[in-house]
Amino acid sequence: RKEVEQDPGPFNVPEGATVAFNCTYSNSASQSFFWYRQDCRKEPKLLMSVYSSGNEDGRFTAQLNRASQYISLLIRDSKLSDSATYLCVVNSLKNTGTASKLTFGTGTRLQVTL
Amino acid sequence: ETGVTQSPTHLIKTRGQQVTLRCSSQSGHNTVSWYQQALGQGPQFIFQYYREEENGRGNFPPRFSGLQFPNYSSELNVNALELDDSALYLCASSLDKVSLYGYTFGSGTRLTVV
Repeated sequence: RKEVEQDPGPFNVPEGATVAFNCTYSNSASQSFFWYRQDCRKEPKLLMSVYSSGNEDGRFTAQLNRASQYISLLIRDSKLSDSATYLCVVNSLKNTGTASKLTFGTGTRLQVTL
Repeated sequence: ETGVTQSPTHLIKTRGQQVTLRCSSQSGHNTVSWYQQALGQGPQFIFQYYREEENGRGNFPPRFSGLQFPNYSSELNVNALELDDSALYLCASSLDKVSLYGYTFGSGTRLTVV
């Protein structure tokens, strides 16, 4: 089983639609959680951190459910410029707590169309 | 713009050769991590350096090695290149070794092995 699992998509949605991405992770000791956005042939860029209380940034809402080990991202009123790959990312500490690593899902591709 | 710069941006090498990729982290960022992203996949953790010492490693063979220097620059070295090493190599820096608040990625080096 992969450490971080996402639906690879692609999700093709019309402008203005609401789209939801889901992600599950297997390491219950994971410490922090993120959504990154990656445009074609570019580096990943941090979109938002994800907290159990849920957090919102404009049209984007992220939610973490630690009990279910489940992370979500909701995009409302999709824009053409939202077309990208969305990567679910989990930060886990080493046993000694002296280092961490990011584990990425394979990403979900979103294509917003006119 | 990102404070992490990588060079070169693109590189073509022949199977069996050796390659050195370079990264300059944001000033003050003591931790640098390297990731390999194959086409259609999420980035995979190679290793992490903190204050010039390796303090975490992913599932990569010893022919992948690194160095970190006091001036916040680092290198990824790959010996005996294989065709499967063709990928985007990403460098990411953070303030501390557990980096619970995310990483800043460079724009990557795209390596093609022929």
